[in-house]
Amino acid sequence: ILNVEQSPQSLHVQEGDSTNFTCSFPSSNFYALHWYRWETAKSPEALFVMTLNGDEKKKGRISATLNTKEGYSYLYIKGSQPEDSATYLCAFMDSNYQLIWGAGTKLIIKP
Amino acid sequence: SAVISQKPSRDICQRGTSLTIQCQVDSQVTMMFWYRQQPGQSLTLIATANQGSEATYESGFVIDKFPISRPNLTFSTLTVSNMSPEDSSIYLCSVVAESYGYTFGSGTRLTVV
Repeated sequence: ILNVEQSPQSLHVQEGDSTNFTCSFPSSNFYALHWYRWETAKSPEALFVMTLNGDEKKKGRISATLNTKEGYSYLYIKGSQPEDSATYLCAFMDSNYQLIWGAGTKLIIKP
Repeated sequence: SAVISQKPSRDICQRGTSLTIQCQVDSQVTMMFWYRQQPGQSLTLIATANQGSEATYESGFVIDKFPISRPNLTFSTLTVSNMSPEDSSIYLCSVVAESYGYTFGSGTRLTVV
């Protein structure tokens, strides 16, 4: 059974602080790693799709790194803002294009 | 990328009843996916809906409980039948977007009482 683990489960961060959280995934049969942001009552929004070991992607104040050999990805948020409050989901895509999702990290930004 | 309209956004239903969830896509897509997220759990794929053929169900999900229709390339429905409190979840439909990503509907938050 393949598992995708996200930690922490939830996180409270003061506005203006930077933060990061982790997605751990199987290191075999890797094809891609997806990150999504899911705000309450909205659609999950794609942030990054990462495919290469050592890849680093950036979108505004959010960035992500990928280590496929050891099976982890970090998501970083610099200078957190209230609008960053959401659940951040990662999903592992294997070589058969099957997606396995983590349970998410719920981020709450305190003003 | 595609835009998906999903209805209803939320509902509270009595056990033993059924609820049909609709997804309308603004472009033609080959496959549509139906997911469920139970409280505190990961998103779990229920089935893949293909136009013109029966849906493909994942292990643990059956057609009698979650019948799916796919009458054309822009529309699909998922019915949650004979509901119990364990069916209380967020249900999402999605389609493949560019670069291996996915586009999602805004979800249906179902509470069964």
